[in-house]
Amino acid sequence: DIQMTQSPSTLSASVGDRVTITCRASQSISDWVAWYQQKPGKGPKLLIYQASSLNSGVPFRFSGSGSGTDFTLTISNLQPDDFATYYCQQYDTDFTWTFGQGTKVDLK
Amino acid sequence: EVQLVESGGGLVQPGGSLRLSCAASGFTLKNYWMFWVRQAPGKGLEWVSRLKSDGTTASYADSVRGRFSISRDNAKNTLLLQMNTLRVEDTAVYYCVRGGLGPHWGQGTLVSVSS
Repeated sequence: DIQMTQSPSTLSASVGDRVTITCRASQSISDWVAWYQQKPGKGPKLLIYQASSLNSGVPFRFSGSGSGTDFTLTISNLQPDDFATYYCQQYDTDFTWTFGQGTKVDLK
Repeated sequence: EVQLVESGGGLVQPGGSLRLSCAASGFTLKNYWMFWVRQAPGKGLEWVSRLKSDGTTASYADSVRGRFSISRDNAKNTLLLQMNTLRVEDTAVYYCVRGGLGPHWGQGTLVSVSS
């Protein structure tokens, strides 16, 4: 199985900050990476797919980058609604799906 | 509009069985790889099972292999997950997910395994 190592596990930030979360895959997965936002009691919300494509309706302050093994989610100008937990996922169908451990973004 | 609606969750005793359903609308289930993903209380996301679009190949996580079975009812455009010999550690919210360029998730159904 491909392992997805996500960091940091917790991130304290202020409104207006630029925030970066990273995921490293244990082997190359091209660009089959998605990023999700999850709030308590809710299901995951797709933010980014294919490493850098913004899902419909997602604010432009969210962006994704990377290919191969190293991937990044960036939130520019952090807003109050963005305090949540974020997960990366590899979804290459040649492999079983795996997820990062999650990053909780909380208020500094 | 693409929609996935899970049902069938509930409280069951260890060793019991449940069958989860995922009703799909806005697309044809058999044209996509379909997945089940679960999330135990306070934990991260765990892939459980997948069914290839042609319906011929199913895969399972080691933790459920031999106990869970994924299938679909093409006439009802519904994905199924038969869960047998349930364990306390199977307690989780179970999500139905459509594969593709951008995975599409249902809202989830809670399965609680407890005596």
